[in-house]
Amino acid sequence: EAGVAQSPRYKIIEKRQSVAFWCNPISGHATLYWYQQILGQGPKLLIQFQNNGVVDDSQLPKDRFSAERLKGVDSTLKIQPAKLEDSAVYLCASSSIGASSYNEQFFGPGTRLTVL
Amino acid sequence: AQSVTQLGSHVSVSEGALVLLRCNYSSSVPPYLFWYVQYPNQGLQLLLKYTSAATLVKGINGFEAEFKKSETSFHLTKPSAHMSDAAEYFCAVRRTGNQFYFGTGTSLTVIP
Repeated sequence: EAGVAQSPRYKIIEKRQSVAFWCNPISGHATLYWYQQILGQGPKLLIQFQNNGVVDDSQLPKDRFSAERLKGVDSTLKIQPAKLEDSAVYLCASSSIGASSYNEQFFGPGTRLTVL
Repeated sequence: AQSVTQLGSHVSVSEGALVLLRCNYSSSVPPYLFWYVQYPNQGLQLLLKYTSAATLVKGINGFEAEFKKSETSFHLTKPSAHMSDAAEYFCAVRRTGNQFYFGTGTSLTVIP
């Protein structure tokens, strides 16, 4: 089966500019996650969707970050305006919500954002 | 709250030597634990997961982990390191609501 797709793979912008990332999860996966991974750290959950509803966005800086998952499939994550500290890899992941509690996440390759 | 702690942000081993990466969890209920590997410029890939069927879990690429409730640990091991094992390794716990929390990671260097 096809994996989680993300684009672009790399993005360089100047501070105060806007940027958007796109994610296409594995077909049939109801749960979609966006993580921010700063260099040398573990992934930090930004937002979690189940179908097209938000489950958890407690760590999403809502003054500048927004995300949507229209129709419960693809998702976009936007930063507007970007700050220097937003430089990181943005990872998208998806998982199924079957009866098993051991459903793992499948990750995309990530988008490396550099804010100058 | 459930969380994981990875001891040692950097581990170096010689090629052919034992690999031991440490992960401790905090949980008041049986945890759902995972180990992921991340190669440079790539996303995370699942190595193995604890399913409660057995305390010793075998994963891909010769890795295994042992769940020890008495020590609240889920350390990752591999008997003989290979150069291709050099990567970043993350321990993760799944909470209710299908939410995952990751440790800070351990960077493994394999010395030829």
